[in-house]
Amino acid sequence: SQQGEEDPQALSIQEGENATMNCSYKTSINNLQWYRQNSGRGLVHLILIRSNEREKHSGRLRVTLDTSKKSSSLLITASRAADTASYFCATDEGLNTGFQKLVFGTGTRLLVSP
Amino acid sequence: NAGVTQTPKFQVLKTGQSMTLQCAQDMNHEYMSWYRQDPGMGLRLIHYSVGAGITDQGEVPNGYNVSRSTTEDFPLRLLSAAPSQTSVYFCASSYGTTQPQHFGDGTRLSIL
Repeated sequence: SQQGEEDPQALSIQEGENATMNCSYKTSINNLQWYRQNSGRGLVHLILIRSNEREKHSGRLRVTLDTSKKSSSLLITASRAADTASYFCATDEGLNTGFQKLVFGTGTRLLVSP
Repeated sequence: NAGVTQTPKFQVLKTGQSMTLQCAQDMNHEYMSWYRQDPGMGLRLIHYSVGAGITDQGEVPNGYNVSRSTTEDFPLRLLSAAPSQTSVYFCASSYGTTQPQHFGDGTRLSIL
């Protein structure tokens, strides 16, 4: 099952601009996570926001969560060329074993040009 | 402190061959998972483990086996490779099921 869907699929901006990516999901969640993937590398965890939180900051990252709309957004402020990567949201989905698996979206490809 | 280490980084197999993808972590994480990443489909869970000796199936387990004899290692076995298993495989580990996942850099597997 695919829960999170990111929007847009691709985003191209200039250095210094802000980048906003959105994620929508389908079922109730305990938390939502954002990951970054540089080309040819594994995913790197950026930020986790719990269902009872509405906003969270980490450096130049700002994440919001609206559980009533089942959506989240990731804002990267003052973007840099090094921010060029794919960004994925992931939500937890309970299995009957009690294990909370992460369900990933298809990602947003961000290109930041110098 | 290497984190999550996956070997090999690249592999080409012929249909019907078998092989084992290795995954090791040095963070003493109880939870380990295997995902495959295909274009346009995000990551899908293959198998997971909540501790040594305990494994279970994820979303797309067919054609794969796993075992967890130690906390550190979680190998993924392809029993009889098929072209549909051409993908990038990622291993991940974490302290808990709702904690951030730590990923390896992946194994790029092509089945001819």
